[in-house]
Amino acid sequence: DAGVIQSPRHEVTEMGQEVTLRCKPISGHNSLFWYRQTMMRGLELLIYFNNNVPIDDSGMPEDRFSAKMPNASFSTLKIQPSEPRDSAVYFCASSLNSGNIQYFGAGTRLSVL
Amino acid sequence: KQEVTQIPAALSVPEGENLVLNCSFTDSAIYNLQWFRQDPGKGLTSLLLIQSSQREQTSGRLNASLDKSSGRSTLYIAASQPGDSATYLCAVSNDYKLSFGAGTTVTVRA
Repeated sequence: DAGVIQSPRHEVTEMGQEVTLRCKPISGHNSLFWYRQTMMRGLELLIYFNNNVPIDDSGMPEDRFSAKMPNASFSTLKIQPSEPRDSAVYFCASSLNSGNIQYFGAGTRLSVL
Repeated sequence: KQEVTQIPAALSVPEGENLVLNCSFTDSAIYNLQWFRQDPGKGLTSLLLIQSSQREQTSGRLNASLDKSSGRSTLYIAASQPGDSATYLCAVSNDYKLSFGAGTTVTVRA
């Protein structure tokens, strides 16, 4: 299996623009996670999906952030409008059932100017 | 709220020396504990997962112990190699939610 695939790897945008990050989980995994990593706050869970349904979105910072999982093989994290403080590395991870090993993608490095 | 602490923040050792990385957590009601490795510009790679009922887990040169009652885990890496240079992160789980430490950055000098 190719592992968790994220795109794009790098995104540079201007404040106010919409940003969409994409994730393809490992085939057969039913749990998907979006994380954000910053120097100040480390790794934080943004949202958790189980069987394509959002279970816990308490980590989503504000209404500018939204996430969808229309099917078992694709998820998006959208920021609209983006702000400089959104600059971070965003990771997607998947696992076979919650509580098992989480497999991480390579991440998307987002820079909002 | 679960707080996870990793000490030291950075460690530099000569090749061949054994590595000892420490992780402590405040809430002992955990589901499992995982150790990850992160290389610069890369994602996280899971190294070991210890269930809450286990005391230790081993994989090759890596051994991780878990003492739930004291809220501690230790990752041992035997006979370190330059390729072991990376940031090592500890994460405790309450089922699906991982709470991460800030990591220990390890440099193994050839």
